[in-house]
Amino acid sequence: KQEVTQIPAALSVPEGENLVLNCSFTDSAIYNLQWFRQDPGKGLTSLLLIQSSQREQTSGRLNASLDKSSGRSTLYIAASQPGDSATYLCAVNGNTDKLIFGTGTRLQVFP
Amino acid sequence: DTAVSQTPKYLVTQMGNDKSIKCEQNLGHDTMYWYKQDSKKFLKIMFSYNNKELIINETVPNRFSPKSPDKAHLNLHINSLELGDSAVYFCASSQVSHEQFFGPGTRLTVL
Repeated sequence: KQEVTQIPAALSVPEGENLVLNCSFTDSAIYNLQWFRQDPGKGLTSLLLIQSSQREQTSGRLNASLDKSSGRSTLYIAASQPGDSATYLCAVNGNTDKLIFGTGTRLQVFP
Repeated sequence: DTAVSQTPKYLVTQMGNDKSIKCEQNLGHDTMYWYKQDSKKFLKIMFSYNNKELIINETVPNRFSPKSPDKAHLNLHINSLELGDSAVYFCASSQVSHEQFFGPGTRLTVL
């Protein structure tokens, strides 16, 4: 049974810092991995999708990497801003086309 | 244009009532999903439909019945609501095994 863990559960950093969010999963037989952000009381916004054959994906200040063999993904946020404050979720898609979500990392970036 | 929309946004009802949540996507995707986010913010898949056919049913009580009149719509009907059904319900859509896009969520409160 696939289990997805995110560390840390919460993170508070000053504006401008580069930071790394971690996601680990127990079953390496995945099809893809998706990172989302969720603002309080809002829906999920898709940030990046990494296919199992890819090592990383980049979008603006965000870079996500995938090491399937070790069951890990990281989301790197460069030059963090207060607007980046949100909960970040990683989700793994196995061959059953359902997303298994992690518990999330709650990020606060203060000015 | 909203890609994945849900109605209503909020739903407050008494135990034992029957209620429905509607979802529509205008992305031309073949697959639609229902996820539940519980009070601890954990997200879990409930159902998925591909081109109006039920693909995933994650041991959800029979009181929950999804219906897909066409591939752009997926509704969720809940009978005999219980306190434990209180949660945020998210609809999502994708092409099979591709990036999933989420709606804004429906916050259901059962009193």
